[in-house]
Amino acid sequence: GQQLNQSPQSMFIQEGEDVSMNCTSSSIFNTWLWYKQDPGEGPVLLIALYKAGELTSNGRLTAQFGITRKDSFLNISASIPSDVGIYFCAGRPYGNKLVFGAGTILRVKS
Amino acid sequence: SAVISQKPSRDICQRGTSLTIQCQVDSQVTMMFWYRQQPGQSLTLIATANQGSEATYESGFVIDKFPISRPNLTFSTLTVSNMSPEDSSIYLCSVEADRENYGYTFGSGTRLTVV
Repeated sequence: GQQLNQSPQSMFIQEGEDVSMNCTSSSIFNTWLWYKQDPGEGPVLLIALYKAGELTSNGRLTAQFGITRKDSFLNISASIPSDVGIYFCAGRPYGNKLVFGAGTILRVKS
Repeated sequence: SAVISQKPSRDICQRGTSLTIQCQVDSQVTMMFWYRQQPGQSLTLIATANQGSEATYESGFVIDKFPISRPNLTFSTLTVSNMSPEDSSIYLCSVEADRENYGYTFGSGTRLTVV
């Protein structure tokens, strides 16, 4: 089945720094989603991307749907302590199911 | 987007017993999804619950171990049967937000510990 490779696995950054993480797939996806999960909570949708090349922002977050439909990145600008958590990419191939990346653990040092 | 209430939020269970997790949505949805998140891992789809028909299970998951009910368009249950410590995970239900937004909304999860 489809697999997503998400990197980096973890990041420990200084408050105020920018963050970048990405996901790649061996197959084409028609939707890319980025989620954040806080401890004890379910994942919360941050950004949804529907078209190849699409660039979407949500506050300090920016994500892009790769032109090849096989990759996506998420950038967080000027990180703050509440950005701490696990970030998951998820791809939706044709159909209803979501495939999740392994997650990026973000820690912010203030 | 839909609001999902999932319960229990956590439980500690004896091996060999079963636990039923409930998922209630505040609007009617066609499909509901059940995921497992093992400690420190990503989310893995267990099955898709369709109203009026049997659930569709993913490879590695079977109905005898994870029976699912979907009595109406706002409710579903997942049972973890004959539990072992390997079943200790977070179990999450999810629904598709709406037809135009392909994002999925998740419940807050059930943290299960089997001892």
